[in-house]
Amino acid sequence: DQQVKQNSPSLSVQEGRISILNCDYTNSMFDYFLWYKKYPAEGPTFLISISSIKDKNEDGRFTVFLNKSAKHLSLHIVPSQPGDSAVYFCAASPLNSGGSNYKLTFGKGTLLTVNP
Amino acid sequence: GAGVSQSPSNKVTEKGKDVELRCDPISGHTALYWYRQSLGQGLEFLIYFQGNSAPDKSGLPSDRFSAERTGGSVSTLTIQRTQQEDSAVYLCASSWTRRETQYFGPGTRLLVL
Repeated sequence: DQQVKQNSPSLSVQEGRISILNCDYTNSMFDYFLWYKKYPAEGPTFLISISSIKDKNEDGRFTVFLNKSAKHLSLHIVPSQPGDSAVYFCAASPLNSGGSNYKLTFGKGTLLTVNP
Repeated sequence: GAGVSQSPSNKVTEKGKDVELRCDPISGHTALYWYRQSLGQGLEFLIYFQGNSAPDKSGLPSDRFSAERTGGSVSTLTIQRTQQEDSAVYLCASSWTRRETQYFGPGTRLLVL
């Protein structure tokens, strides 16, 4: 049973346009969400995060939006660049109760290709 | 500045053999994690170490899997009597403390024939 779902295995975008990557979750105990980027043969690299007390967090070209009622978050990249081409993983961790708030549950990833 | 390193980068083994995978976390990081990524899947949590506390082994898929962390630094993940379904990329991550940003190593790609 997948608790974090990335329903689009791939996305292709033109350079300069907006990339929107989506993520849905089912576990209402999740309260902290992260996006990681992964290039081939490298480990995932932290990109941006958001706590459930916020609905938006911005860092340069990257913005993450959280809709708690819909259990949905999205990552916006504007403008998209060819160097952004990578696999993007959505991840979530639960509330502190139970002491397991370090456990990240990952989606399967979305391969973003930004075409020049 | 050294990041998380893992060795070997690739490992091919025969079914039934034991393998050891090594992780060197970032210096000073007290928390260390092991994940597994099977083909077409997301990262799956395996085990978590925090300082001298007992590790959280709840993600280990079977008793053939074990891990230790010596001196609060280097960690070794051991898979005994490997099976073909153990084939995956094994990723190690570390962080300053629990719930801080996790920094990942490049992974060990394990292939069990």
